[in-house]
Amino acid sequence: AQSVSQHNHHVILSEAASLELGCNYSYGGTVNLFWYVQYPGQHLQLLLKYFSGDPLVKGIKGFEAEFIKSKFSFNLRKPSVQWSDTAEYFCAVRGGYGNNRLAFGKGNQVVVIP
Amino acid sequence: EPEVTQTPSHQVTQMGQEVILRCVPISNHLYFYWYRQILGQKVEFLVSFYNNEISEKSEIFDDQFSVERPDGSNFTLKIRSTKLEDSAMYFCASTEGDLYNEQFFGPGTRLTVL
Repeated sequence: AQSVSQHNHHVILSEAASLELGCNYSYGGTVNLFWYVQYPGQHLQLLLKYFSGDPLVKGIKGFEAEFIKSKFSFNLRKPSVQWSDTAEYFCAVRGGYGNNRLAFGKGNQVVVIP
Repeated sequence: EPEVTQTPSHQVTQMGQEVILRCVPISNHLYFYWYRQILGQKVEFLVSFYNNEISEKSEIFDDQFSVERPDGSNFTLKIRSTKLEDSAMYFCASTEGDLYNEQFFGPGTRLTVL
């Protein structure tokens, strides 16, 4: 079974600072990788996803993530955060043909101070 | 934009009671899921459902749990005899297809077992 690790569960930073959230997963063959965001009081929403091709993927709201296969990592980045990026961020992995379940990391609670 | 909806938003029940959590997936979606998140822990997969049957379930999804699509729109999770440790946020999700589509999540139902 997949396991997903996210570190630095609580991140506090100022507006315009850069953000990087780490995500590591256990090896299990071909994987699909996702970052979801949950704004206060809202649904989990997809930020971006990686299935194949260019390992640098761009998502909504200026976020991007890089898949590094050799490191089993899929780190999320944003060069300059805004107050509205305050949210919880979840990395998720889906592995194997016909396997639809998502394995989630524990999440990063990000607070952006104006 | 179509959304997954869930009712109720909060359910309080006594230990040993049966609860039914309801979800209305996005109308043209074919795959349905339940996940849960115990406070302070990861979002965990419970079950996936396709073509009126369970396609995959986790070790958490024991005989106390069941799912049903009683009509063309609702997707329910029943817990037959709730335990204290069933207290969690329960998320429903749906996806249009299989491997290459994102899962759209509902807002969740917070279940509190007393």
